[in-house]
Amino acid sequence: NAGVTQTPKFQVLKTGQSMTLQCAQDMNHEYMSWYRQDPGMGLRLIHYSVGAGITDQGEVPNGYNVSRSTTEDFPLRLLSAAPSQTSVYFCASSYLGLAGLKTQYFGPGTRLLVL
Amino acid sequence: RKEVEQDPGPFNVPEGATVAFNCTYSNSASQSFFWYRQDCRKEPKLLMSVYSSGNEDGRFTAQLNRASQYISLLIRDSKLSDSATYLCVVNDGANNLFFGTGTRLTVIP
Repeated sequence: NAGVTQTPKFQVLKTGQSMTLQCAQDMNHEYMSWYRQDPGMGLRLIHYSVGAGITDQGEVPNGYNVSRSTTEDFPLRLLSAAPSQTSVYFCASSYLGLAGLKTQYFGPGTRLLVL
Repeated sequence: RKEVEQDPGPFNVPEGATVAFNCTYSNSASQSFFWYRQDCRKEPKLLMSVYSSGNEDGRFTAQLNRASQYISLLIRDSKLSDSATYLCVVNDGANNLFFGTGTRLTVIP
Protein backbone atom coordinates (compact mmCIF):
# COMPACT_ATOMS: atom_id res chain seq x y z
CA ASN A 1 0.00 0.00 0.00
CA ALA A 2 1.21 3.50 -0.82
CA GLY A 3 -0.92 4.95 2.01
CA VAL A 4 -1.70 8.63 1.49
CA THR A 5 0.06 10.39 -1.35
CA GLN A 6 0.18 14.11 -2.08
CA THR A 7 1.40 16.11 -5.05
CA PRO A 8 3.17 18.39 -5.52
CA LYS A 9 5.70 18.39 -2.68
CA PHE A 10 6.54 22.07 -3.21
CA GLN A 11 4.83 24.89 -5.06
CA VAL A 12 5.41 28.61 -5.53
CA LEU A 13 2.45 30.70 -6.67
CA LYS A 14 1.87 34.34 -7.39
CA THR A 15 -0.98 36.16 -5.71
CA GLY A 16 -4.21 35.54 -7.61
CA GLN A 17 -3.17 32.28 -9.25
CA SER A 18 -5.20 29.14 -8.73
CA MET A 19 -4.01 25.60 -8.26
CA THR A 20 -5.09 22.16 -7.12
CA LEU A 21 -3.31 20.10 -4.48
CA GLN A 22 -3.79 16.40 -5.14
CA CYS A 23 -4.40 13.76 -2.49
CA ALA A 24 -5.04 10.04 -2.90
CA GLN A 25 -5.31 7.09 -0.53
CA ASP A 26 -5.43 3.38 -1.23
CA MET A 27 -6.71 2.16 2.15
CA ASN A 28 -10.44 2.44 1.33
CA HIS A 29 -10.91 4.97 4.12
CA GLU A 30 -14.26 6.73 4.28
CA TYR A 31 -12.91 9.89 5.90
CA MET A 32 -10.49 12.26 4.21
CA SER A 33 -9.42 15.71 5.28
CA TRP A 34 -7.15 18.63 4.56
CA TYR A 35 -5.19 20.54 7.20
CA ARG A 36 -2.86 23.46 7.09
CA GLN A 37 0.02 23.80 9.53
CA ASP A 38 1.43 27.18 10.42
CA PRO A 39 4.09 28.05 13.02
CA GLY A 40 2.54 28.48 16.47
CA MET A 41 -0.94 27.51 15.23
CA GLY A 42 -0.92 23.74 15.08
CA LEU A 43 -2.79 21.86 12.40
CA ARG A 44 -6.12 23.38 11.46
CA LEU A 45 -8.86 21.57 9.56
CA ILE A 46 -9.78 23.14 6.21
CA HIS A 47 -12.33 20.72 4.72
CA TYR A 48 -13.24 17.11 5.23
CA SER A 49 -15.28 14.36 3.60
CA VAL A 50 -17.01 11.32 5.10
CA GLY A 51 -17.50 9.60 1.76
CA ALA A 52 -17.73 10.07 -1.98
CA GLY A 53 -20.02 12.96 -2.82
CA ILE A 54 -20.01 14.36 0.74
CA THR A 55 -17.85 17.27 1.87
CA ASP A 56 -18.02 19.72 4.73
CA GLN A 57 -16.16 22.73 6.06
CA GLY A 58 -13.65 22.64 8.85
CA GLU A 59 -12.23 25.44 10.94
CA VAL A 60 -10.58 27.50 8.15
CA PRO A 61 -12.40 26.84 4.83
CA ASN A 62 -12.30 30.31 3.25
CA GLY A 63 -10.39 30.46 -0.02
CA TYR A 64 -10.45 26.70 -0.57
CA ASN A 65 -12.75 24.28 -2.38
CA VAL A 66 -12.87 20.50 -2.31
CA SER A 67 -14.72 17.70 -4.04
CA ARG A 68 -14.87 13.93 -3.49
CA SER A 69 -15.92 12.11 -6.62
CA THR A 70 -14.26 8.82 -5.61
CA THR A 71 -13.31 7.16 -2.33
CA GLU A 72 -9.62 7.43 -3.23
CA ASP A 73 -9.19 11.07 -4.25
CA PHE A 74 -9.74 14.33 -2.40
CA PRO A 75 -8.25 17.35 -4.22
CA LEU A 76 -7.97 20.78 -2.61
CA ARG A 77 -8.40 23.81 -4.84
CA LEU A 78 -7.06 27.26 -4.09
CA LEU A 79 -9.29 29.63 -5.99
CA SER A 80 -7.19 32.80 -5.94
CA ALA A 81 -4.00 32.38 -3.94
CA ALA A 82 -3.12 34.92 -1.26
CA PRO A 83 0.10 35.30 0.78
CA SER A 84 -1.91 34.28 3.88
CA GLN A 85 -2.25 30.83 2.30
CA THR A 86 1.49 30.25 2.51
CA SER A 87 1.63 27.12 4.65
CA VAL A 88 2.27 23.41 4.77
CA TYR A 89 -0.78 21.42 3.70
CA PHE A 90 -1.43 17.89 4.88
CA CYS A 91 -4.02 15.49 3.59
CA ALA A 92 -5.15 12.71 5.92
CA SER A 93 -7.51 9.75 5.85
CA SER A 94 -9.03 7.37 8.36
CA TYR A 95 -11.82 4.94 9.06
CA LEU A 96 -14.90 6.25 10.78
CA GLY A 97 -15.73 4.60 14.08
CA LEU A 98 -18.86 4.60 16.20
CA ALA A 99 -17.18 6.89 18.72
CA GLY A 100 -15.63 9.21 16.16
CA LEU A 101 -12.54 9.23 14.06
CA LYS A 102 -9.94 6.52 14.20
CA THR A 103 -6.21 6.85 13.53
CA GLN A 104 -5.44 9.52 10.97
CA TYR A 105 -2.89 8.62 8.28
CA PHE A 106 -1.18 11.67 6.88
CA GLY A 107 0.38 12.31 3.52
CA PRO A 108 3.91 13.77 3.33
CA GLY A 109 2.64 17.33 2.90
CA THR A 110 2.77 20.08 0.30
CA ARG A 111 4.80 23.20 1.05
CA LEU A 112 3.16 26.20 -0.59
CA LEU A 113 4.64 29.68 -0.92
CA VAL A 114 2.44 32.47 -2.25
CA LEU A 115 4.32 35.59 -3.33
CA ARG B 1 -9.84 29.88 23.97
CA LYS B 2 -8.06 27.18 21.99
CA GLU B 3 -9.67 23.74 21.86
CA VAL B 4 -6.41 22.04 22.82
CA GLU B 5 -3.56 23.68 24.69
CA GLN B 6 -0.05 22.35 25.18
CA ASP B 7 3.15 23.69 26.65
CA PRO B 8 5.25 24.35 23.53
CA GLY B 9 8.54 23.66 25.31
CA PRO B 10 11.19 23.14 24.18
CA PHE B 11 12.09 20.37 26.57
CA ASN B 12 15.80 19.52 26.49
CA VAL B 13 16.55 16.37 28.46
CA PRO B 14 19.55 14.03 28.73
CA GLU B 15 19.41 10.48 27.45
CA GLY B 16 17.82 8.18 29.99
CA ALA B 17 15.72 10.89 31.59
CA THR B 18 11.99 10.72 32.21
CA VAL B 19 9.93 13.53 30.72
CA ALA B 20 6.22 14.34 30.91
CA PHE B 21 4.04 16.43 28.63
CA ASN B 22 0.64 17.82 29.51
CA CYS B 23 -2.32 18.92 27.48
CA THR B 24 -5.72 20.39 28.31
CA TYR B 25 -8.85 20.43 26.16
CA SER B 26 -11.87 22.71 26.36
CA ASN B 27 -14.75 20.56 25.03
CA SER B 28 -16.10 18.33 27.78
CA ALA B 29 -17.98 16.29 25.14
CA SER B 30 -14.73 15.15 23.51
CA GLN B 31 -14.76 11.45 22.83
CA SER B 32 -11.32 10.24 21.85
CA PHE B 33 -7.80 11.33 22.49
CA PHE B 34 -4.44 10.73 20.87
CA TRP B 35 -0.77 11.59 20.96
CA TYR B 36 0.91 12.04 17.60
CA ARG B 37 4.59 12.46 16.91
CA GLN B 38 5.92 14.78 14.23
CA ASP B 39 9.54 14.81 13.12
CA CYS B 40 11.02 17.94 11.59
CA ARG B 41 9.55 18.66 8.14
CA LYS B 42 7.59 15.39 8.18
CA GLU B 43 3.96 14.42 8.57
CA PRO B 44 2.40 13.61 11.96
CA LYS B 45 2.19 9.92 12.85
CA LEU B 46 0.12 8.27 15.56
CA LEU B 47 2.14 7.52 18.69
CA MET B 48 -0.70 6.16 20.80
CA SER B 49 -4.35 6.51 21.61
CA VAL B 50 -5.27 7.57 25.14
CA TYR B 51 -7.82 5.54 27.08
CA SER B 52 -9.74 6.50 30.21
CA SER B 53 -7.98 3.87 32.29
CA GLY B 54 -4.56 4.97 31.10
CA ASN B 55 -2.39 2.91 28.81
CA GLU B 56 1.20 2.02 28.26
CA ASP B 57 3.23 1.16 25.18
CA GLY B 58 6.80 0.27 26.06
CA ARG B 59 8.46 3.38 27.46
CA PHE B 60 5.41 5.54 26.78
CA THR B 61 2.49 5.99 29.18
CA ALA B 62 -0.61 8.05 28.44
CA GLN B 63 -3.17 9.20 31.00
CA LEU B 64 -6.57 10.86 30.65
CA ASN B 65 -8.40 12.78 33.34
CA ARG B 66 -11.88 13.55 32.02
CA ALA B 67 -12.92 15.50 35.13
CA SER B 68 -10.02 17.93 34.70
CA GLN B 69 -10.02 17.66 30.89
CA TYR B 70 -6.34 16.85 30.99
CA ILE B 71 -4.14 14.44 29.04
CA SER B 72 -0.55 13.50 29.75
CA LEU B 73 2.27 11.61 28.08
CA LEU B 74 5.18 10.19 30.04
CA ILE B 75 8.36 9.02 28.30
CA ARG B 76 10.75 6.92 30.37
CA ASP B 77 14.41 6.23 29.58
CA SER B 78 14.51 8.84 26.80
CA LYS B 79 16.39 7.93 23.62
CA LEU B 80 17.98 10.25 21.08
CA SER B 81 15.40 8.95 18.60
CA ASP B 82 12.59 10.35 20.79
CA SER B 83 13.55 13.89 19.71
CA ALA B 84 10.47 15.22 17.91
CA THR B 85 7.40 17.36 18.42
CA TYR B 86 4.54 15.66 20.27
CA LEU B 87 1.02 16.67 19.32
CA CYS B 88 -1.97 16.28 21.60
CA VAL B 89 -5.09 15.54 19.53
CA VAL B 90 -8.74 15.48 20.57
CA ASN B 91 -11.79 14.26 18.63
CA ASP B 92 -15.07 15.97 19.48
CA GLY B 93 -17.04 12.79 18.78
CA ALA B 94 -18.13 14.10 15.40
CA ASN B 95 -15.83 14.54 12.45
CA ASN B 96 -13.48 17.12 13.84
CA LEU B 97 -9.99 16.61 15.18
CA PHE B 98 -8.36 19.38 17.14
CA PHE B 99 -4.59 19.53 17.37
CA GLY B 100 -2.47 21.21 19.98
CA THR B 101 0.44 23.30 18.75
CA GLY B 102 2.85 20.60 19.90
CA THR B 103 5.57 20.19 22.49
CA ARG B 104 9.09 20.02 21.17
CA LEU B 105 11.44 17.49 22.78
CA THR B 106 15.19 17.30 22.27
CA VAL B 107 17.08 14.42 23.88
CA ILE B 108 20.72 15.31 24.43
CA PRO B 109 23.56 12.73 24.41
